Amino acid sequence: QKEVEQNSGPLSVPEGAIASLNCTYSDRGSQSFFWYRQYSGKSPELIMSIYSNGDQEDGRFTAQLNKASQYVSLLIRDSQPSDSATYLCAADNQFYFGTGTSLTVIP
Amino acid sequence: GAVVSQHPSWVICKSGTSVKIECRSLDFQATTMFWYRQFPKQSLMLMATSNEGSKATYEQGVEKDKFLINHASLTLSTLTVTSAHPEDSSFYICSATGTRVGAFFGQGTRLTVV
Repeated sequence: QKEVEQNSGPLSVPEGAIASLNCTYSDRGSQSFFWYRQYSGKSPELIMSIYSNGDQEDGRFTAQLNKASQYVSLLIRDSQPSDSATYLCAADNQFYFGTGTSLTVIP
Repeated sequence: GAVVSQHPSWVICKSGTSVKIECRSLDFQATTMFWYRQFPKQSLMLMATSNEGSKATYEQGVEKDKFLINHASLTLSTLTVTSAHPEDSSFYICSATGTRVGAFFGQGTRLTVV
């Protein structure tokens, strides 16, 4: 059951740039959206949650939700090599994950 | 954020033996826990959904007699890999969730069957 789709990447950005990760979802009734980060060999960790249209900011991370277009994005400003990881998005109580988007920040 | 503790973080066992992995939610009551398996460079594969006090719901293709799940309390779920074989070697991860708060993952258990 794939309720969300991610542009699979991989994505490479230079250090200091903005990384943009996108996710689309199919269920218009979805209410809550989550971004997870998974470093290689580690388990995922929840980094952002967003529940309403617009932007949700937390430090260098901004989650954007557009319910009309059914997409949710994650922007990482001033990207650092330590941001290199796989990013997963999920909606509501969906716990099926795709391959995510692999991000590499090049020093 | 909430803390989910998974133990052990790695284990090596002989083929044919059983291995138990514990998943504890330390600071919240997790009515539902999930068990995943992940092979290198592949996505998380949901194995089963574990609800406190009831039988686990297994995903298609996952052998329930081989992967025994017990969720005896609101803070503890266990996964037992029975009669393990080398092809069971993988990274096993649990997660716990509350309403509208997303999922919190344990540290994962790297199982190697020799």
